[in-house]
Amino acid sequence: TQLLEQSPQFLSIQEGENLTVYCNSSSVFSSLQWYRQEPGEGPVLLVTVVTGGEVKKLKRLTFQFGDARKDSSLHITAAQPGDTGLYLCAGPGGGADGLTFGKGTHLIIQP
Amino acid sequence: GAGVSQTPSNKVTEKGKYVELRCDPISGHTALYWYRQSLGQGPEFLIYFQGTGAADDSGLPNDRFFAVRPEGSVSTLKIQRTERGDSAVYLCASSPGHLGQVNTEAFFGQGTRLTVV
Repeated sequence: TQLLEQSPQFLSIQEGENLTVYCNSSSVFSSLQWYRQEPGEGPVLLVTVVTGGEVKKLKRLTFQFGDARKDSSLHITAAQPGDTGLYLCAGPGGGADGLTFGKGTHLIIQP
Repeated sequence: GAGVSQTPSNKVTEKGKYVELRCDPISGHTALYWYRQSLGQGPEFLIYFQGTGAADDSGLPNDRFFAVRPEGSVSTLKIQRTERGDSAVYLCASSPGHLGQVNTEAFFGQGTRLTVV
């Protein structure tokens, strides 16, 4: 089983600050996905990264896939309270044709 | 329906009882997945259906857990003789293809929060 380790586990910052969260593995992944989950809801896909070194931007969110395709990062610029949630990274491998998830980073943006 | 629907949203049951959790996937999605999410953890894979058949049930923790999808649409996760350790949020996801394919998105329901007392 390929494991995905996310850090930090918890992060609480003030509105307007920047932050970076990480997703690391000892295994190579063909792709990685980032999901955001709000309380009482299921995870919602934010982005899929496929190519080593790839950078994708989604408004104030910047996602990067490591050159060796073993890690990924999510950077948020000028965080807003609406960014609060559980950020999960996931890659192929949970079950024969499923996804394996990291434990997530619990992010709280305080007004 | 627009998205994946799970019922009930909350279920409280006594230890030893039987429970059924239902998932209505997005129409036309052939792949359906069940995941379990414990407090503070990411979702853990339980079982995957492609159409009516269980293509992979390697994540089911033991034989008290069983799932069906008789007509290739709605799925039911069944738990017998529930234990307190079964308490978790049970998530269902559907997708147009299997999630091992690049750029295939998992569409999740809101989950069923199961509490065994």
